[in-house]
This record gives sequence, C-alpha cells and structure tokens, in this order.
Amino acid sequence: EVQLVESGGGLIHPGGSLRLSCAASGFSVVTNYMSWVRQAPGKGLEWVSLIYSGGSTFYADSVKGRFTISRDDSKNTLYLQMNSLRAEDTAVYYCARDSSVTVFGVFEDYGMDVWGQGTTVTVSS
Amino acid sequence: DIQMTQSPSSPSASVGDRVTITCRASQTISTFLNWYQQRPGKAPSLLIYAASTLQTGVPSRFSGSGSGTDFTLTISSLQPEDFATYYCQQSYSIPYTFGQGTRLEIK
Repeated sequence: EVQLVESGGGLIHPGGSLRLSCAASGFSVVTNYMSWVRQAPGKGLEWVSLIYSGGSTFYADSVKGRFTISRDDSKNTLYLQMNSLRAEDTAVYYCARDSSVTVFGVFEDYGMDVWGQGTTVTVSS
Repeated sequence: DIQMTQSPSSPSASVGDRVTITCRASQTISTFLNWYQQRPGKAPSLLIYAASTLQTGVPSRFSGSGSGTDFTLTISSLQPEDFATYYCQQSYSIPYTFGQGTRLEIK
C-alpha cells in the first residue's frame, strides 16, 4: 500500500528546533519529488519545501535559512529539520509525494498525489 | 511569486447542483495547475492535475479546464461528500502557491 506517515510534531518554545519525519511505504522517497506543505489553524495550505529526485532542494521564503529538507534512502523517510521556530510556524505539517517528473528537461506535472495524515507543530512559550 | 486567487470564497449549494469554482493566476502558468479537495480534519487529496486530467479514482462528476491564467473546477452534480474545501495550486514555478481555498457549504 502506498502510504506516508508523519511524526515528530509537538509543542516547542520559540527559537527551538524540531525534526519532522515522514515514513513512506509502497514507493521510494528517493526516486520521487517530495514536498512539505503546512496549514496554520483555520487557514489555507502553504507550500514549505520540495526535494527533487536528483537531490535539489527548494524552500518558501518564510522558512529559507531555518528549515532543511532531507531524505534517508535506507529508511525510506523524508525529513524536515526546523530551527529557530517562530509562533507563525504553528501548523499541521503534511508531507506529500509529487509525482511530477522532468523528462529530457521538460517538466510534466502530475500533482501531489499521496499525502500523509499530518503532524501538528505548536510554537508557543 | 505567482498569486493564485479563487472565487467564490464560500458558495452554498444543494445536493444535485452544478458548481463551478474559478482560479486565477497572477501570470500565465500554461496548464501547470492542480486541484485538491480537503474535508474537515483530513489531509488534502488530489482531484485534477495538469488543469484537466482527472486523478485515478476521482468521480467523473469532477472536471477541470483552463490554461494561461484562468481555470475552473466544475462539479456536475453535487453529492453530500463533496461539501469540503477546494484549493488550486500552481506548479509552474517555485515557490509553489495555493489559492486561498473555496469552502463549499450546504444550502
């Protein structure tokens, strides 16, 4: 079964650090594009970060320099290391598989087709 | 960054109604546009990718169209399980951006 399961959320003080994990089953996190998307309480969806199958990484301006996306092939797990956390980082964090591909330099969009259940991060003193 | 604007924000409709949600991009994005459905307390799920391709397993009452800057999601005959929030998302350029969401409510 194709599945993503996030973990690692919790209550953290401003300025603190947290690492989120996203364990995949049924497919490889290394051979797919993978994203983190968050949703603040009562708000809409906000894209946070993306890692290409080739390893290139991208970030929203709101988290650049504070968050790091990575993956572990042996554990088939995606991570989001979050440092210098702020109150505005409070949200449910989802990991998602992006089935888009780039073939001979041409991007083919297939959308984020597999999502985890989300893990809640609360930044508060 | 590309801004995505959805309308209407909170339409109300009845079971059996035909509903159209519009998404407008602040610049041309070709057909790099995806639609997601999110039910309360649940993760989003992909409905349509590349503007008009129905994701496997999604009922055929959902359809998408558009290119450039203007896109639509249409539900041909609303079912009770369709009352949810819908988001468009552009994948034309990074940072990916979502619309603010359209919460479909029961009339």
